[in-house]
Amino acid sequence: GDSVTQMEGPVTLSEEAFLTINCTYTATGYPSLFWYVQYPGEGLQLLLKATKADDKGSNKGFEATYRKETTSFHLEKGSVQVSDSAVYFCALPLGSNDYKLSFGAGTTVTVRA
Amino acid sequence: DAGVTQSPTHLIKTRGQHVTLRCSPISGHKSVSWYQQVLGQGPQFIFQYYEKEERGRGNFPDRFSARQFPNYSSELNVNALLLGDSALYLCASSLTGQPRGTEAFFGQGTRLTVV
Repeated sequence: GDSVTQMEGPVTLSEEAFLTINCTYTATGYPSLFWYVQYPGEGLQLLLKATKADDKGSNKGFEATYRKETTSFHLEKGSVQVSDSAVYFCALPLGSNDYKLSFGAGTTVTVRA
Repeated sequence: DAGVTQSPTHLIKTRGQHVTLRCSPISGHKSVSWYQQVLGQGPQFIFQYYEKEERGRGNFPDRFSARQFPNYSSELNVNALLLGDSALYLCASSLTGQPRGTEAFFGQGTRLTVV
């Protein structure tokens, strides 16, 4: 079935470092792709999304490009802050409805001052 | 506007007991989904309800059940609790089933501990 594979963490960075989290997907067709973020003690928040191939989602300095050639949706940020410390999840729809989501295992990111 | 609200935030149950978790979606949202997030893993889809009808079910045993009420709030019920049911249970609401790319808004979850 459709699924995502996410790079394993944890990832520890210094402030202002470059962050990249790899995500690849397996799917029939071209589903929407999402990155969700979970801050400590909180639920999930949608960080960004892309609904078709070559789309670039962006939010809060984060970017991810939907690349069908490599079936990837890697998350990047050029200069991280301590406040970016969180768990990041790549996700895609399980079926034809976009809100039945299949999540990756999550990548824990810790940014040190 | 209030976001997705879940209750209780934490609870502790004993093996074999029953538990009911509650979720109120964002006003105007008609779809509610439930997810189980075991510590250190990504959320796993349990149920989706839209307009009070079950639209999808994940790979969970029949001990798990849910329903959606006329005001679109929802309950998740788990019978005969096992230690492995200990997890964060997340509720998500969405406006409708269409179009593609519709955002799901998550609540802060209910942390269930089974002892």
